[in-house]
Amino acid sequence: GAVVSQHPSWVICKSGTSVKIECRSLDFQATTMFWYRQFPKQSLMLMATSNEGSKATYEQGVEKDKFLINHASLTLSTLTVTSAHPEDSSFYICSAQLAGRQETQYFGPGTRLLVL
Amino acid sequence: QQQVKQSPQSLIVQKGGISIINCAYENTAFDYFPWYQQFPGKGPALLIAIRPDVSEKKEGRFTISFNKSAKQFSLHIMDSQPGDSATYFCAASINGAGSYQLTFGKGTKLSVIP
Repeated sequence: GAVVSQHPSWVICKSGTSVKIECRSLDFQATTMFWYRQFPKQSLMLMATSNEGSKATYEQGVEKDKFLINHASLTLSTLTVTSAHPEDSSFYICSAQLAGRQETQYFGPGTRLLVL
Repeated sequence: QQQVKQSPQSLIVQKGGISIINCAYENTAFDYFPWYQQFPGKGPALLIAIRPDVSEKKEGRFTISFNKSAKQFSLHIMDSQPGDSATYFCAASINGAGSYQLTFGKGTKLSVIP
């Protein structure tokens, strides 16, 4: 149980285009989902906290107009990287909190984004 | 300011040996301490977690030791196997308005050699 999926698993796009990444909790409802960014050989950096039905809370230094987050249902959150540039190339990972066990975050498999 | 300090950065252990990874935290408000295992190109997977009211927790070959007064906790992997080769992250969290945001250590790359 407590499986989180992400789609796509990897994406290559041209500079200036927008990319949408989906995060789904497959067998549980998640009122809160988190989006992280991870550079090679580095730790996970929290980008934003996504709550179902409300606006996401962004961490300091993360541009909310560039990284659009939508959490429209209890099982789906999306991250859209708008006008992507090569410096946005990274590994994006989402996690979901299991209701009733809110301290536990279950992570998705990640999405590798390469912007050319 | 790094709130969770993890060491060592990398670790090489022989098969069958004990792998030990240490973490120290600064914020005494942290109330949940998980360890995650991450393989290359994959998302982190929860290994084991502990709360500060417990000094030790064991699940199979994995044990967390927790020292509240020293603000330190560690992961011990007994009988380490090549399949344990991965990057391990310690983390800590506080319940903030019902949302537990994780603060991660920088990670330890473990290599278990045959």
